[in-house]
Amino acid sequence: DTAVSQTPKYLVTQMGNDKSIKCEQNLGHDTMYWYKQDSKKFLKIMFSYNNKELIINETVPNRFSPKSPDKAHLNLHINSLELGDSAVYFCASSQLWGAVKSQYFGPGTRLLVL
Amino acid sequence: GQQLNQSPQSMFIQEGEDVSMNCTSSSIFNTWLWYKQDPGEGPVLLIALYKAGELTSNGRLTAQFGITRKDSFLNISASIPSDVGIYFCAGLVTSGTYKYIFGTGTRLKVLA
Repeated sequence: DTAVSQTPKYLVTQMGNDKSIKCEQNLGHDTMYWYKQDSKKFLKIMFSYNNKELIINETVPNRFSPKSPDKAHLNLHINSLELGDSAVYFCASSQLWGAVKSQYFGPGTRLLVL
Repeated sequence: GQQLNQSPQSMFIQEGEDVSMNCTSSSIFNTWLWYKQDPGEGPVLLIALYKAGELTSNGRLTAQFGITRKDSFLNISASIPSDVGIYFCAGLVTSGTYKYIFGTGTRLKVLA
């Protein structure tokens, strides 16, 4: 079974559209994350939830909104997509926030905005 | 966004050689993480460090938390072709004002 899964794997869409990326972990972890990796491979954390509470909310546009319906899911909703949103988005989970001894990433969602 | 300075940016090495890379910052962190990313995959956590001066190994990998808390080092001994990939450091502050900042990455290529 996949530990951290993301859907979709690829997402091609037009500027101005609204889209969501889903993430699920079956590891029983308390903490989940969203990251963005740009075309130069630079990684940046966007959000982190610990026990469904938002603990990191980096300076990302407010067009990006995370939603955590339960500890196993952290979805990312993006409004009014822009060309610069094209990137690979990774979800991850870890057992604890602060003592990250085990952390697992999803396979990534490759978003292309046209 | 802010990125930590990671060096070297890329390196070619011969199989069997040892590799060293480091990550430096002007800020203090209380946790350092090292990741490896293979092409087309998500990062994989290699080593986590929680205490200044800590030295931790994971197989042929050894990482150290710098005593100033502003840097960290990763060594790979006796490199093999599957060590190819991008290595990222990340510095975290896990209390008070949270921080989680990645290094710029070291691209490692191993020549057989």
